[in-house]
Amino acid sequence: GQNIDQPTEMTATEGAIVQINCTYQTSGFNGLFWYQQHAGEAPTFLSYNVLDGLEEKGRFSSFLSRSKGYSYLLLKELQMKDSASYLCAVRSLGNTGKLIFGQGTTLQVKP
Amino acid sequence: GAVVSQHPSWVICKSGTSVKIECRSLDFQATTMFWYRQFPKQSLMLMATSNEGSKATYEQGVEKDKFLINHASLTLSTLTVTSAHPEDSSFYICSARDSGTTDTQYFGPGTRLTVL
Repeated sequence: GQNIDQPTEMTATEGAIVQINCTYQTSGFNGLFWYQQHAGEAPTFLSYNVLDGLEEKGRFSSFLSRSKGYSYLLLKELQMKDSASYLCAVRSLGNTGKLIFGQGTTLQVKP
Repeated sequence: GAVVSQHPSWVICKSGTSVKIECRSLDFQATTMFWYRQFPKQSLMLMATSNEGSKATYEQGVEKDKFLINHASLTLSTLTVTSAHPEDSSFYICSARDSGTTDTQYFGPGTRLTVL
């Protein structure tokens, strides 16, 4: 079966660092994506990992371990505008590249 | 990142009418586009995969005769909600796969459908 797990909610303080974990069990794997979604808006692309290791992009970094079926999104120097839902998605094998989404983690950044 | 547009951004219609939503990839060609539906405080639910020049592939439980998908060109896919009912009210989001150098899926801004 296909299963992607993320914490439902997280709270962090402005200026701090937060790590959002994602574990997955899927029948095939062809990359893992992280998206940010503000309330009432569509998701925006944050990062893509297909090989093991850390990908850094400004204040955001994403890590992947394929053997452990595990990824995390690291947000540094948190800002109030980072309050949003963060979606972990695994791309399945096959020509279409269909994404399987987790339920998302709602992050609340407090002053 | 790449740009995907959707039109309209919101629509209100009467029960029983049909509504067409357009999804366009503006700066890349997309042989594959996806249609999602999202209810409040829930994650994205994939409805169907739209393939340019061929029939769409629908997810289990999604009625293909109710949600008509057409992918007539490499930059345009349309979703038509036929005979809409209040329970079809939702946030419909498309995405397009940029299978070029990035091989990333980019989302449109979404269409909020309200059926009265």
